[in-house]
Amino acid sequence: DTAVSQTPKYLVTQMGNDKSIKCEQNLGHDTMYWYKQDSKKFLKIMFSYNNKELIINETVPNRFSPKSPDKAHLNLHINSLELGDSAVYFCASRSGGAEADTQYFGPGTRLTVL
Amino acid sequence: AQKVTQAQTEISVVEKEDVTLDCVYETRDTTYYLFWYKQPPSGELVFLIRRNSFDEQNEISGRYSWNFQKSTSSFNFTITASQVVDSAVYFCALSEDSNYQLIWGAGTKLIIKP
Repeated sequence: DTAVSQTPKYLVTQMGNDKSIKCEQNLGHDTMYWYKQDSKKFLKIMFSYNNKELIINETVPNRFSPKSPDKAHLNLHINSLELGDSAVYFCASRSGGAEADTQYFGPGTRLTVL
Repeated sequence: AQKVTQAQTEISVVEKEDVTLDCVYETRDTTYYLFWYKQPPSGELVFLIRRNSFDEQNEISGRYSWNFQKSTSSFNFTITASQVVDSAVYFCALSEDSNYQLIWGAGTKLIIKP
């Protein structure tokens, strides 16, 4: 009965590789997000999708590409990984209903680039 | 401009003490929402509470209580009779009615010593 799930939980890879992180929510929410949390715990929004359409695209290198095959999924693909990409990546979702402002987060994916 | 300030970077108390985490926000909107999230050492982000700008009633949930004061633009969080399991990083966040994008504080690391 997991609400927002992400896979994998841990990802260790070499510089220059391409990797993907998957996110799924079973809450029926319309909007999904990707956040990056750096080593100082600072949370920064990267992307937001509403019903499969991109609505927020912060200043993120274009090596990062989100893909939303349907409203329940928002995947993050990263090309040519760099050391600075090491971080924890969180997926979140938000409903369009009564508490439309509340975001619920997945467990996070800790990415380590060597 | 919107901003959330958590001035306390780290707080350390002994178990059973009461502790208050401060949160001060800035916004020009009249309709906005305030949140607290908990990030335990396991890393997930757990939603604790949501408050809208029209509801200044204090909230109590077990040992947790929240004090929302519009006059001082603060939304403080108190843990009564703290326990070791309360050790975590706590984030305060703000979203405005216009776009629901979360503006995050830097977090307060709470250490509860046995």
